[in-house]
Amino acid sequence: GAVVSQHPSWVICKSGTSVKIECRSLDFQATTMFWYRQFPKQSLMLMATSNEGSKATYEQGVEKDKFLINHASLTLSTLTVTSAHPEDSSFYICSASPGLVGEQYFGPGTRLTVT
Amino acid sequence: QKEVEQNSGPLSVPEGAIASLNCTYSDRGSQSFFWYRQYSGKSPELIMSIYSNGDKEDGRFTAQLNKASQYVSLLIRDSQPSDSATYLCAVRNSGGYQKVTFGIGTKLQVIP
Repeated sequence: GAVVSQHPSWVICKSGTSVKIECRSLDFQATTMFWYRQFPKQSLMLMATSNEGSKATYEQGVEKDKFLINHASLTLSTLTVTSAHPEDSSFYICSASPGLVGEQYFGPGTRLTVT
Repeated sequence: QKEVEQNSGPLSVPEGAIASLNCTYSDRGSQSFFWYRQYSGKSPELIMSIYSNGDKEDGRFTAQLNKASQYVSLLIRDSQPSDSATYLCAVRNSGGYQKVTFGIGTKLQVIP
């Protein structure tokens, strides 16, 4: 149980284009989903928290107009990186929480490369 | 700032030994504590959760919690080379906002 999928697993895009990443909880309903970014050899950095049907809460320093998050249902959240630049290249990981005691289940991650 | 602190390591232990990973946290009201394992290039995987003082055992893993000392640890018995990974300590903050704070992780190396 507690499986989270993420799609795509990797993507290469050109600078200036937008990329959408999907995160789905496959066998549970996620009241809360989280989006993280991780650069090589660095720790997880929380970008935003989203609750189904409401606006996402972004961490300080994360541009909400650049990283658009939509939590359309209890099993789906999407992150759109708009007007991507090479410095946005990173490993993006989502997680989902059933909302009971705070445990999070992570998706496999999406490796984004912007050329 | 509600913090979770871990030694980044690397912590090297010989195969078969006990690996001891430690974590301290600053939010005294925290109630939920988690250990995640992250292999290089992969996403974190939840391996243990603990909510009350004392020990919780699951196979070769034992989580220990001491809320008075604001300390949580993970013991790995009979360490195997496949246990080599980064171990992340995570603490759910007190209050209504369901935010979990992660430590930077301790890199464990099990030497064959």
